[in-house]
Amino acid sequence: GENVEQHPSTLSVQEGDSAVIKCTYSDSASNYFPWYKQELGKGPQLIIDIRSNVGEKKDQRIAVTLNKTAKHFSLHITETQPEDSAVYFCAASFQGSQGNLIFGKGTKLSVKP
Amino acid sequence: DAGVIQSPRHEVTEMGQEVTLRCKPISGHNSLFWYRQTMMRGLELLIYFNNNVPIDDSGMPEDRFSAKMPNASFSTLKIQPSEPRDSAVYFCASSQEREQFFGPGTRLTVL
Repeated sequence: GENVEQHPSTLSVQEGDSAVIKCTYSDSASNYFPWYKQELGKGPQLIIDIRSNVGEKKDQRIAVTLNKTAKHFSLHITETQPEDSAVYFCAASFQGSQGNLIFGKGTKLSVKP
Repeated sequence: DAGVIQSPRHEVTEMGQEVTLRCKPISGHNSLFWYRQTMMRGLELLIYFNNNVPIDDSGMPEDRFSAKMPNASFSTLKIQPSEPRDSAVYFCASSQEREQFFGPGTRLTVL
């Protein structure tokens, strides 16, 4: 079945630096890749997503890149701020899965002021 | 829209008791998902519904777990009897197409 691997499991950066989180997926039929941010005591919140017909998508300080050949996608956060500290999850789904997402294990990002 | 609503937010119960978690999806969404989150196993999909019909319940741990969706605006996840290893945060999410929107979760503690 579909599997999503996420690295690193923890990441610590200084405020203002960039942070990169990487995921790989196993099912070549996957065509939708969302990223979620989960703050302490809250449910995961969608922050950005990308579909397989696009190689890169950007929203202010957040960008996601997709390499379909390598079955690899990444989240990039620039100019990190303390409020970016949270757990980030990548996920993947494929057409016909009726919205079912396979999640990575999560990355705990700490941004030190 | 109020978003996905879950109740209760916190539940503490004793081993052997029945527990019922409730979820109200976002109006107009046609898919509903139940997840369990623990430190050890991360975010696990338990079951999901499409148009109120269970599509995949392969993530349900065992027969003690059951889920229903009697109509488009309500779903329940029941654990009977509960065990300490069921302690976790249970999330409900809903979607219309691809984007899933999560509720705030129910933190379940089984003593």
